[in-house]
Amino acid sequence: QKEVEQDPGPLSVPEGAIVSLNCTYSNSAFQYFMWYRQYSRKGPELLMYTYSSGNKEDGRFTAQVDKSSKYISLFIRDSQPSDSATYLCAMRVSGYSTLTFGKGTMLLVSP
Amino acid sequence: SQTIHQWPATLVQPVGSPLSLECTVEGTSNPNLYWYRQAAGRGLQLLFYSVGIGQISSEVPQNLSASRPQDRQFILSSKKLLLSDSGFYLCASHTRQGNTEAFFGQGTRLTVV
Repeated sequence: QKEVEQDPGPLSVPEGAIVSLNCTYSNSAFQYFMWYRQYSRKGPELLMYTYSSGNKEDGRFTAQVDKSSKYISLFIRDSQPSDSATYLCAMRVSGYSTLTFGKGTMLLVSP
Repeated sequence: SQTIHQWPATLVQPVGSPLSLECTVEGTSNPNLYWYRQAAGRGLQLLFYSVGIGQISSEVPQNLSASRPQDRQFILSSKKLLLSDSGFYLCASHTRQGNTEAFFGQGTRLTVV
């Protein structure tokens, strides 16, 4: 079993839809969770960073962490065509800086 | 916040030629630095990381090497490129103090022909 599982998609939605992106993980030592957005041929850009179970909101983005289920989600409200990108989840153990990434989910938002 | 500079953005090299990719970091000191390779459908593969000048850890044995000659400079090299070295190479930086996030450069797309 891979440490971090993420559906590669593509996930296609119409503009304005609510998008849910998810990752599951197997290592209960992971304490810090991140979501990165990556446009084609660009480096990943940090969207959300959280370390506790529950929700964290930033504009149209909400990151949700459920440590008991080893499950994290990123919700995008009122999705826009400019949100079309690959979304990578990442996580790490406290005290260690090395990140473990999911393979990324490609999101396509059509106008 | 940190800024990661990577160059070149695109590179086409023949098989057997040498490689040198450079990464420099602004906005932090004494960071942990990383080289990743990203292949389509395979996610981010950690190649090397460094916790200080001259300190390099290799995650995957391969045709590549890394060096850190200065605190905020990280170099990825190869003496003889293979076709399998083609990919998208990303440099990342992580502030060592506290539990913070990692920042990425814009990447170098390497095609070995």
